[in-house]
Order: sequence, then C-alpha cells, then structure tokens
Amino acid sequence: NAGVTQTPKFRVLKTGQSMTLLCAQDMNHEYMYWYRQDPGMGLRLIHYSVGEGTTAKGEVPDGYNVSRLKKQNFLLGLESAAPSQTSVYFCASSQGTEPYEQYFGPGTRLTVT
Amino acid sequence: EDKVVQSPLSLVVHEGDTVTLNCSYEVTNFRSLLWYKQEKKAPTFLFMLTSSGIEKKSGRLSSILDKKELSSILNITATQTGDSAIYLCAVEKDSNYQLIWGAGTKLIIKP
Repeated sequence: NAGVTQTPKFRVLKTGQSMTLLCAQDMNHEYMYWYRQDPGMGLRLIHYSVGEGTTAKGEVPDGYNVSRLKKQNFLLGLESAAPSQTSVYFCASSQGTEPYEQYFGPGTRLTVT
Repeated sequence: EDKVVQSPLSLVVHEGDTVTLNCSYEVTNFRSLLWYKQEKKAPTFLFMLTSSGIEKKSGRLSSILDKKELSSILNITATQTGDSAIYLCAVEKDSNYQLIWGAGTKLIIKP
C-alpha cells in the first residue's frame, strides 16, 4: 500500500515549457487535490476533484489545468511555465466521508528559470 | 475573506520544554479544524477537532478547539528533537471538503 505517490520528484523547466505532474493513490479515495507550497504562505489549493471525471478550481488555478480520467490518478498540467510557478507541489487525497483528513504525497519541487 | 492565522511563525526551545502553538480562524460555515506536522516532505495528519470533539490527545501532544474564540491550540509537552517540524493548521469549511491553511509554525527543538 503505497498511499499517495507523485512523479517526478524534481523538475527544472525553462519559461514557456510545458509539463505534467502525475499523482496516484491506491486508497480508493474519492477526493483528490493539488496544492502549491511557497515559503511563508502555507498550502494553497490549485484545483481539486470530487470524483472521477470531475474537477474544480481552487484558490490559485490560473496557469494550471487538471484531469481526473481515472479515480486513482490526478494530473496537473502547466501549459506555459512561468518563474512565478516555481514552488513545491503537493498532491493529496481524502475519502470524502468522515474522517476527512487528507493524505499527502511526497511533493514535487519545480523550478522555472 | 476566509483566513487562518498561526502564531508564532517560529519558535526555538530546548528539549524537555513545553510549547503551545496557536491557530485562529475566520471562516464561514466552519466544519472542522485539523493539525498537521510537516518534517522534510509531506504533511502528516495529527488531529481533527469538530464541534462534537473539541479536545484530542495523543501521547505528548494535545489540542483544544475554542469555538467561542475561533481558535485552537496545540500543546507539546516534554519536547524532543524529533518534534522539530513545521506545524500546520487547516480549517474545513462548507461541505466541499476544501481546507483553508495557515502559514505554519516552524518549531525547532535544541538538544
């Protein structure tokens, strides 16, 4: 039981390049989330999904897109990376019923130059 | 605008000391408050407090929710170097399972 996994762990992009971050969970959770974490700002929700085939915008969705084609996977895409998107990205999942705690992946450190 | 504020932002104490971390919130339609510990990588869940469960305890850690004061505290007694981490507070609002996160308290325990 791996929990929540993320690939890749590290990535360096040039401005304007695109990439996709993959999140996978093996806990049969309904809800999945993408956050970014910047120093001194805590976790900010980018997008989330309440089930296969559904996604919704969070607090800071601009510049990102997501897809949830399979229940266990949640993809985060950057179409045209910008230096402001340099951050650590965390994926999380929760079962959608009590208890509501979210389980986090190990994170992806992204640097955009 | 919903917000969650943690204090202090950072704290340095010696092993064996007791620490109290604070979390205050202004969130519409409050459902629950959660505490997480973040060491080097992913945050890990500590406690969840709701209207029906305003105090939780696990070993040397305990947490209380004060719904009147819209705040929570996390106490750690007899601190150890392994308690060094960033402690995050988050509040769940409405029924869409989104969390509003505080910026965290960085706790450093000196031997």
